Amino acid sequence: DAGVIQSPRHEVTEMGQEVTLRCKPISGHNSLFWYRQTMMRGLELLIYFNNNVPIDDSGMPEDRFSAKMPNASFSTLKIQPSEPRDSAVYFCASSPEQLIIHEQFFGPGTRLTVL
Amino acid sequence: AQTVTQSQPEMSVQEAETVTLSCTYDTSENNYYLFWYKQPPSRQMILVIRQEAYKQQNATENRFSVNFQKAAKSFSLKISDSQLGDTAMYFCAFMNKNTGFQKLVFGTGTRLLVSP
Repeated sequence: DAGVIQSPRHEVTEMGQEVTLRCKPISGHNSLFWYRQTMMRGLELLIYFNNNVPIDDSGMPEDRFSAKMPNASFSTLKIQPSEPRDSAVYFCASSPEQLIIHEQFFGPGTRLTVL
Repeated sequence: AQTVTQSQPEMSVQEAETVTLSCTYDTSENNYYLFWYKQPPSRQMILVIRQEAYKQQNATENRFSVNFQKAAKSFSLKISDSQLGDTAMYFCAFMNKNTGFQKLVFGTGTRLLVSP
């Protein structure tokens, strides 16, 4: 298995631009998570999907952030408009089953720099 | 809300020695999981070990073991026979099992450097 796939690995953009981060979970996993990692705040859960449905989005910082999961094999995290304080590493993770606590498998992350 | 505290920002150890990383947590729940994740310079988050709160026996995975003190809300990670490849950030994490939601709450991490 290829593991969780994220693209792009690095993104540099200018303030005000739209940014879209992409994630392909491990096949057969039905839970998907987006995390953000910064020096100041550490690792934070942004949003959590189960069977393509958002379950907990309380970590989404503000309306500029949105996430979708149109099918079991693809999710996006969009920031519009982007701001310098959004600079961080964004991780996607997937897990095989909600009702049984399983390991979350993390992707390699996308390093976002907003100038 | 649950919180996880890692009080050691950085630790150093020589190859083949043993090192212990500290973690404490605060929760009113009694049914939960605790995890240690490793993040090497490659940035990939890798699960090292997990502990279920209702299990009294400490989890062990090869050179990695935990000291789980439920009453003290302490969950330390011991790495025996340290290897250069153990150099990484180590994150302690908490998951409340009662909600059924797999939300991980992470500590701020401990940077471990293993030197020859």
